[in-house]
Amino acid sequence: DTAVSQTPKYLVTQMGNDKSIKCEQNLGHDTMYWYKQDSKKFLKIMFSYNNKELIINETVPNRFSPKSPDKAHLNLHINSLELGDSAVYFCASSLTANTGELFFGEGSRLTVL
Amino acid sequence: DQQVKQNSPSLSVQEGRISILNCDYTNSMFDYFLWYKKYPAEGPTFLISISSIKDKNEDGRFTVFLNKSAKHLSLHIVPSQPGDSAVYFCAASEGGGTSYGKLTFGQGTILTVHP
Repeated sequence: DTAVSQTPKYLVTQMGNDKSIKCEQNLGHDTMYWYKQDSKKFLKIMFSYNNKELIINETVPNRFSPKSPDKAHLNLHINSLELGDSAVYFCASSLTANTGELFFGEGSRLTVL
Repeated sequence: DQQVKQNSPSLSVQEGRISILNCDYTNSMFDYFLWYKKYPAEGPTFLISISSIKDKNEDGRFTVFLNKSAKHLSLHIVPSQPGDSAVYFCAASEGGGTSYGKLTFGQGTILTVHP
């Protein structure tokens, strides 16, 4: 019974396409995040939502749009995909926004050709 | 602009010995530090944290030390076990309000514990 689950785990697509990654957590946490792990293995925060409200929005191209329909779900939609978007995208959740103890999903590997 | 650096890409240790993983940071606004462990094909898992008001925090076999003046922290694992073999990420946060989860990660150190 996975605590933070992401779908799909693997995604291969062409440049210019639009794709979405979905994330769900069953921990009852208030806060959810998207992190990106680039080719140099650095994990970098993209967005965070607390009870469906955007609280962290890093310098990310506006082709990336997060959506949180409820506090258990945080989806990531990417428009007009570029080669540089290839990465592993990790969803995470935390009990509240006042902790750095994050629970991560397994990651979604996006490859843009 | 790497604000958190783990200068050792890998570390190899014998089972039963101590593993010491190091991390340096440059941002003096960081006041909350964490270590995460990651196995292949899994997401990172939280291990241990320390706030800047402390210089040591212990949890079982894991101890984190913080030297604020040197902007350096380390993770000690004693005794090391083969199951500890993983990538270890150091992370830091400025804390405050809702920013605790805004973590800046190092690039990770691959720990291999040999039986």
